[in-house]
Amino acid sequence: EAGVAQSPRYKIIEKRQSVAFWCNPISGHATLYWYQQILGQGPKLLIQFQNNGVVDDSQLPKDRFSAERLKGVDSTLKIQPAKLEDSAVYLCASSLLFQETQYFGPGTRLLVL
Amino acid sequence: RKEVEQDPGPFNVPEGATVAFNCTYSNSASQSFFWYRQDCRKEPKLLMSVYSSGNEDGRFTAQLNRASQYISLLIRDSKLSDSATYLCVVKGSPNAGGTSYGKLTFGQGTILTVHP
Repeated sequence: EAGVAQSPRYKIIEKRQSVAFWCNPISGHATLYWYQQILGQGPKLLIQFQNNGVVDDSQLPKDRFSAERLKGVDSTLKIQPAKLEDSAVYLCASSLLFQETQYFGPGTRLLVL
Repeated sequence: RKEVEQDPGPFNVPEGATVAFNCTYSNSASQSFFWYRQDCRKEPKLLMSVYSSGNEDGRFTAQLNRASQYISLLIRDSKLSDSATYLCVVKGSPNAGGTSYGKLTFGQGTILTVHP
């Protein structure tokens, strides 16, 4: 079974630039999550989708971050404009509806210079 | 106070040693508890769930003390391949409106290195 796919795997940008990340969850997983993991810390939930609806975005910095999951499958996370402190690994995860086990993708490593 | 706190370590132990990790959480309404493992530059993967009665999976034993809001992970007979970061994870209760299905909150992780 294919796992969670993410692209790109690495991205280097300058501050104030924009960047977008893509995630394709495991087939059939209705719930999709985006996490930010700063070096030395555990992942922090940014946003949770159930199908194409937002369930929790309480920790998403909405002035610069946005995310969508228009057709209830793939999702994109955008940062505009990026700041130095956005340097982190952005992890996408998915799970079956109401199931606790989350499966993570390999992540996108973002470096903001 | 952090929602989930772990000793970051690092723990450096020889092969065959027994090592224990501790974790505390602040929200008494938390519903579910897990240990995830994260290898260097890899994604987190579920190691095991933690139940009130305690549970064991091979060399790994997890325990939960709800009264003390404390979770532990014990690794017996450590292997080189156990070297990783171990993340304590707590799932909160759904919000009053029922629209949040209990988000996972991760601790900062405990680094374990097992050496020959």
